[in-house]
Amino acid sequence: EIVLTQSPGTLSLSPGERATLSCRASQSVSSSYLAWYQQKPGQAPRLLIYGASDRATGIPDRFTGSGSGTDFTLTIARLEPEDFAVYYCQQYGNSPYTFGQGTKLEIK
Amino acid sequence: EVQVVQSRAEVKKPGESLKISCKGSGYSFISYWIGWVRQMPGKGLEWMGMIFPGDSDIRYSPSFQGQVTISADKSINTAYLKWSSLKASDTAMYYCARLYGSGVGDSWGQGTLVTVSS
Repeated sequence: EIVLTQSPGTLSLSPGERATLSCRASQSVSSSYLAWYQQKPGQAPRLLIYGASDRATGIPDRFTGSGSGTDFTLTIARLEPEDFAVYYCQQYGNSPYTFGQGTKLEIK
Repeated sequence: EVQVVQSRAEVKKPGESLKISCKGSGYSFISYWIGWVRQMPGKGLEWMGMIFPGDSDIRYSPSFQGQVTISADKSINTAYLKWSSLKASDTAMYYCARLYGSGVGDSWGQGTLVTVSS
């Protein structure tokens, strides 16, 4: 089973700043099958990025995914108030699929 | 419009059985995997398993194999997650999601909260 480790656990930033979230895999993720989700309190997860770098439908271009192999990054260029949430990475290249433990992005 | 709608919240006692549902609409239900995800109170997302309704191919995460049963009825575009004997530790929010491509959840249900308490 691939273990995904996200860092930092909590990230405190202000609106307008740039956020960089990391997801490291215990072994190489096949075909860059790595996704990022956003979850707000009381809501279901929302797909942001798939295939490591492809934005899902309707996702603003301030969200960028990058990386390959074992190291992946989600960058949010200029934080908007609605971006403060918990972010999860997920690998879907190797069964069983797995999630990282999440990064909480909070307002500073 | 693609929609995934889950059954309502449940309150059960330890030892009871339960089956929750996940209904897809607005797309070809038999052509996409449906995945199930657990989220315990205040915790992260955990992958439980998935089913391809077209041929009922089912894949479980080892952590959930034998603990739950995933099934689907393609005649009514509905997938299910079943417990035969609930435990207090099954208390959680359970999400289902349509899986795009090889396993990306692109449309999620609203979640079903399962509370197990004596």
